[in-house]
Amino acid sequence: ENVLTQSPGTLSLSPGERATLSCRASQSVNWSYLAWFQQKPGQAPRLLITGASHRATGIPDRFSGSGSGTDFTLTISRLEAEDFAVYYCQQYGSFPFTFGPGTKVDIK
Amino acid sequence: QLQLQESGPGLVKPSETLSLTCTVSGDSISSSTYYWGWIRQSPGKGLEWIGSIYHSGSAYYNPSLKSRVTISVDTSKNQFSLRMTSVTAADTAVYYCAREPDAWGQGTLVTVSS
Repeated sequence: ENVLTQSPGTLSLSPGERATLSCRASQSVNWSYLAWFQQKPGQAPRLLITGASHRATGIPDRFSGSGSGTDFTLTISRLEAEDFAVYYCQQYGSFPFTFGPGTKVDIK
Repeated sequence: QLQLQESGPGLVKPSETLSLTCTVSGDSISSSTYYWGWIRQSPGKGLEWIGSIYHSGSAYYNPSLKSRVTISVDTSKNQFSLRMTSVTAADTAVYYCAREPDAWGQGTLVTVSS
């Protein structure tokens, strides 16, 4: 099983600041099949990134993904009020698919 | 536009079987190259992948749930289903169905309680 670890657990930032979230896999993620999701309280997860770096339809370009192998990063270039949420990574390159434990981005 | 909708009982008694169905519109399971899956989220917790199925019927499961879970597909109805046996309070969660990884249903809360 490919275990995903996310860091930090919580990121406290102000609007306008840059957020850098890390997702590390215990094994190489096949074909860079790594997705990022955003979740707000009471809502279903919202897909941001697939294939490590491809923004999903309608996702603002302040969100970017990068990485390969075992190390992946989600960057939010300038935080807006609606970006404060929990972010999860998921690998779907090998079964069982797995999620990371999440990073909470909250307002400083 | 692709839509997924979960349906099933919102309350299940301990030791009984949880059954949910996901109805897909806007894509055909039988011709899709995607896997169709179930994910759950216990109150206040993170996301847990339960398992996925391909239109051929090939299914893969979370090892921690494998002994209790079956995912099946009905291509004639464009649906796939989750069956989880011997549920306990620990199975109380919001259950999501998904076309993995890019489209999710809104989720349905299942409470396990007598």
